[in-house]
Amino acid sequence: GENVEQHPSTLSVQEGDSAVIKCTYSDSASNYFPWYKQELGKRPQLIIDIRSNVGEKKDQRIAVTLNKTAKHFSLHITETQPEDSAVYFCAASRGSGTYKYIFGTGTRLKVLA
Amino acid sequence: EAQVTQNPRYLITVTGKKLTVTCSQNMNHEYMSWYRQDPGLGLRQIYYSMNVEVTDKGDVPEGYKVSRKEKRNFPLILESPSPNQTSLYFCASRGSSTDTQYFGPGTRLTVL
Repeated sequence: GENVEQHPSTLSVQEGDSAVIKCTYSDSASNYFPWYKQELGKRPQLIIDIRSNVGEKKDQRIAVTLNKTAKHFSLHITETQPEDSAVYFCAASRGSGTYKYIFGTGTRLKVLA
Repeated sequence: EAQVTQNPRYLITVTGKKLTVTCSQNMNHEYMSWYRQDPGLGLRQIYYSMNVEVTDKGDVPEGYKVSRKEKRNFPLILESPSPNQTSLYFCASRGSSTDTQYFGPGTRLTVL
């Protein structure tokens, strides 16, 4: 079946450095790729998303890039801060017309002060 | 306030005792879904519904039932819970014309 691989599973960076999390998807019909942040004991929350007709999207310190040919997409966080520490999940979906989502296994990001 | 609510938030039960976890949303969303979250496995979709009386299996539907009799509610039913269903469960909803998915606060279920 379809799957989404996410790497790394844990990532430690110094405050102010950049962090990159990568995902690979298998379903070539996927066209919507959201990223969620889950703080300890909380629900996942959408932080950024991208559609397959766009190669990159930025929102302040967060950016997502998509390589549709290689079926890769990545989350980039610049100038990391301690409050960025959380678990991050990528997901892939075929978008509107379906509500099926495949999630990656998560990356625990630790930002060291 | 726009939200997805789940009840109960915590539940400890025993093998075989039927239980229902309720989910409700007040955003008039057409789509609703249940996920389970386990360490190292991420979020896995159990069932989803794209409209009243329309439900579909996700990746891990075995041992679960759902119903969508009203637009706002999407209960998750475990007819005969087993210890391997011990997990953190999230309900979520989404409008049909948007992509943003909203999650409930989660229900931590322990089956002894």
